[in-house]
Amino acid sequence: ILNVEQSPQSLHVQEGDSTNFTCSFPSSNFYALHWYRWETAKSPEALFVMTLNGDEKKKGRISATLNTKEGYSYLYIKGSQPEDSATYLCAFNIQGAQKLVFGQGTRLTINP
Amino acid sequence: DAMVIQNPRYQVTQFGKPVTLSCSQTLNHNVMYWYQQKSSQAPKLLFHYYDKDFNNEADTPDNFQSRRPNTSFCFLDIRSPGLGDAAMYLCATSRGGIRAEKLFFGSGTQLSVL
Repeated sequence: ILNVEQSPQSLHVQEGDSTNFTCSFPSSNFYALHWYRWETAKSPEALFVMTLNGDEKKKGRISATLNTKEGYSYLYIKGSQPEDSATYLCAFNIQGAQKLVFGQGTRLTINP
Repeated sequence: DAMVIQNPRYQVTQFGKPVTLSCSQTLNHNVMYWYQQKSSQAPKLLFHYYDKDFNNEADTPDNFQSRRPNTSFCFLDIRSPGLGDAAMYLCATSRGGIRAEKLFFGSGTQLSVL
């Protein structure tokens, strides 16, 4: 059974502070690692799709890194804003498969 | 404009009464997925279609069925809903290819079973 773990499960951050959280996944048969943001009452939205060990991706104040050898990815948010409040999901794509296995998410709340 | 549309947003059904959830897409994507998410848990893949090829997950109960009559539409049928089937059901699409491309999600259907 594939296991994708995210930590922490929830996080409260003061507006303006930076934060990061972790996604752990199997280090074998790796194909890709996805990050999604899911705001309340909206659709989950893709942030990054990462495929290479050492990959770093950036979108505005949000960035992600990938270590496929040890099986983890970090998501960083710099200078958190209230609109960053959401659940952040990572998903692991096993080699040769079309399907993604999701973690349970990190629920981020930004306090004004 | 919404590209993956799920109807209805909220669905209430009675224990044992069949229910169908619908999903449509305007992206012309090859792959359509159904995920089930229970409170604070990871979204769990139920099945997916790659074009007309149906791929069921080994642990998806027989109570759950799916239909994809054409590229644009996909349905999730729950034949005899139990209390444990109350959850958010997410439909997603992707282009397909050698690996899973990024998913485009609908806004989900929250199913309640009374």
